[in-house]
Amino acid sequence: AQSVTQPDIHITVSEGASLELRCNYSYGATPYLFWYVQSPGQGLQLLLKYFSGDTLVQGIKGFEAEFKRSQSSFNLRKPSVHWSDAAEYFCAVGPNAGKSTFGDGTTLTVKP
Amino acid sequence: KAGVTQTPRYLIKTRGQQVTLSCSPISGHRSVSWYQQTPGQGLQFLFEYFSETQRNKGNFPGRFSGRQFSNSRSEMNVSTLELGDSALYLCASSTGDHTGELFFGEGSRLTVL
Repeated sequence: AQSVTQPDIHITVSEGASLELRCNYSYGATPYLFWYVQSPGQGLQLLLKYFSGDTLVQGIKGFEAEFKRSQSSFNLRKPSVHWSDAAEYFCAVGPNAGKSTFGDGTTLTVKP
Repeated sequence: KAGVTQTPRYLIKTRGQQVTLSCSPISGHRSVSWYQQTPGQGLQFLFEYFSETQRNKGNFPGRFSGRQFSNSRSEMNVSTLELGDSALYLCASSTGDHTGELFFGEGSRLTVL
């Protein structure tokens, strides 16, 4: 069975600092991996996705993620965080986008 | 183009009642997926419909059901509501191919009293 672990429930960073959100997955075959962001009262928005090819993928809003098969990880990074990045972030894995298994999410707080 | 529209946005029901939630996908999208989001269980996959057929199903009891119409609009129904069904129900649409991005609606927040 597929699963996703986001070890950090809550992360606080200062505005302008770098950010790394961790994601570990368990999946028997080559996974499709996604990062989504959810602002309060909103649905989820796709930040980036990995299906194959280059293991470093670029997304929207200046985010990037690196797929590391040997570590079963797909960590999300951003070099400089903005106050508007405060939200909840979800990592997901699936055989296809229609059926994805989500992690429990990481809530990001940005300090001024 | 218009995004994913879910109605109603908020609703309150009592135990034992049933509820129907509606989702209108992005024009041209043939796949609609439903997720339940709760603080305790997180995001859980309910089911996916593609071209009016249920293509994938999660591990929810039979009280949870859905359907998709020829115009790709989808409804989900929960019968005999329980307190634990209180949640944000999210609908997501996609083209339906295996690499398709999910576009989420803002959700329907159900409170069961």
